[in-house]
Amino acid sequence: DAGVIQSPRHEVTEMGQEVTLRCKPISGHNSLFWYRQTMMRGLELLIYFNNNVPIDDSGMPEDRFSAKMPNASFSTLKIQPSEPRDSAVYFCASSFLVYSNYGYTFGSGTRLTVV
Amino acid sequence: DQQVKQNSPSLSVQEGRISILNCDYTNSMFDYFLWYKKYPAEGPTFLISISSIKDKNEDGRFTVFLNKSAKHLSLHIVPSQPGDSAVYFCAAIEFGGSQGNLIFGKGTKLSVKP
Repeated sequence: DAGVIQSPRHEVTEMGQEVTLRCKPISGHNSLFWYRQTMMRGLELLIYFNNNVPIDDSGMPEDRFSAKMPNASFSTLKIQPSEPRDSAVYFCASSFLVYSNYGYTFGSGTRLTVV
Repeated sequence: DQQVKQNSPSLSVQEGRISILNCDYTNSMFDYFLWYKKYPAEGPTFLISISSIKDKNEDGRFTVFLNKSAKHLSLHIVPSQPGDSAVYFCAAIEFGGSQGNLIFGKGTKLSVKP
């Protein structure tokens, strides 16, 4: 299995531009999670899906952030318009279960820089 | 308010010695506690977990201890190896909880010196 695949690995964009991050979960996993890592806040959950349905988006910081999961093998996280404070590493993770004592499998992340 | 806290941002240990990473939590309803390891430019990878009904879980060189009364857990690595140098995240999950997800500490950077 190729694991959780995220693209792009790095993204540099100008303030005000739209940014789209992509994620392909592990086949057979029906829960998908978007996390953001910053120095100040560590790893924080933005949103998660179960069976392609958004369950909890309370971690999404603002209306500028949106996420979709149109099918079991693909999810996007969009920021429009982007701001410098959105600069962070964004991780996608997937799991067979929402509640798992083995945790989640993470992708390698997308490092976003907004200038 | 942080529910999972790792108060030591960094730890340096000599190769062959024991590494002890600590974690405190505030939510007594957590069902499982997990440790993740993260190398630079990679995502966190699962290392070991412990149920809230246990007080110890061992996997090779890695042992996690849970003290529920103190709301404290620790990860012991014996013996430490240079390849163990990474950031270690403590995480916790409450099954069926309102948050329904892994809650992470901010991590401890472990450096194992040859």
